[in-house]
Amino acid sequence: DTAVSQTPKYLVTQMGNDKSIKCEQNLGHDTMYWYKQDSKKFLKIMFSYNNKELIINETVPNRFSPKSPDKAHLNLHINSLELGDSAVYFCASSQDSHRNSPLHFGNGTRLTVT
Amino acid sequence: GDSVTQMEGPVTLSEEAFLTINCTYTATGYPSLFWYVQYPGEGLQLLLKATKADDKGSNKGFEATYRKETTSFHLEKGSVQVSDSAVYFCALYKAAGNKLTFGGGTRVLVKP
Repeated sequence: DTAVSQTPKYLVTQMGNDKSIKCEQNLGHDTMYWYKQDSKKFLKIMFSYNNKELIINETVPNRFSPKSPDKAHLNLHINSLELGDSAVYFCASSQDSHRNSPLHFGNGTRLTVT
Repeated sequence: GDSVTQMEGPVTLSEEAFLTINCTYTATGYPSLFWYVQYPGEGLQLLLKATKADDKGSNKGFEATYRKETTSFHLEKGSVQVSDSAVYFCALYKAAGNKLTFGGGTRVLVKP
């Protein structure tokens, strides 16, 4: 009964391909996020959705498109993959305001672009 | 903009040693402060938090005190174990934008 689950765990693909990463949370949270962690462990927010609506969209290339079919799911689609997209992508969720409610992270998807 | 600065790692310690990881922040207003821990192959987990000045967060033997005068939230543990080997992230939260800003992470390696 994993709280935040994302698939796949590993993704190896070639430059130019299109790929998707799926995320689901069973915590009943209203807000979901995508974070990117680079090889130096630096963690940067990419997107945030609240009740299926986009509320944070950091400076991310248009090749990245999040999709939230319902508040329990937030998928990440990446077009025309580039070498620099190689990273670990983390999905997370929280209640509406996480001043007092922490982020719950998935275990990450390691994307390798060759 | 808001930012969090942590000491660079890796920090290598022997079991039962004292651990300190420095964290300072830059932010206007009154952010909440957090420490998250990432064990190998896993996502981040909340370790402790403090929501106002002089609050002390504690969990699993770790402690951190919110010091507004020095804009710091240093993490400490008196006696580390091998199982504490992980990457530790300091983070701040402000209501505006509803997002966490993370520091760069500090890798800690505890040797038996």
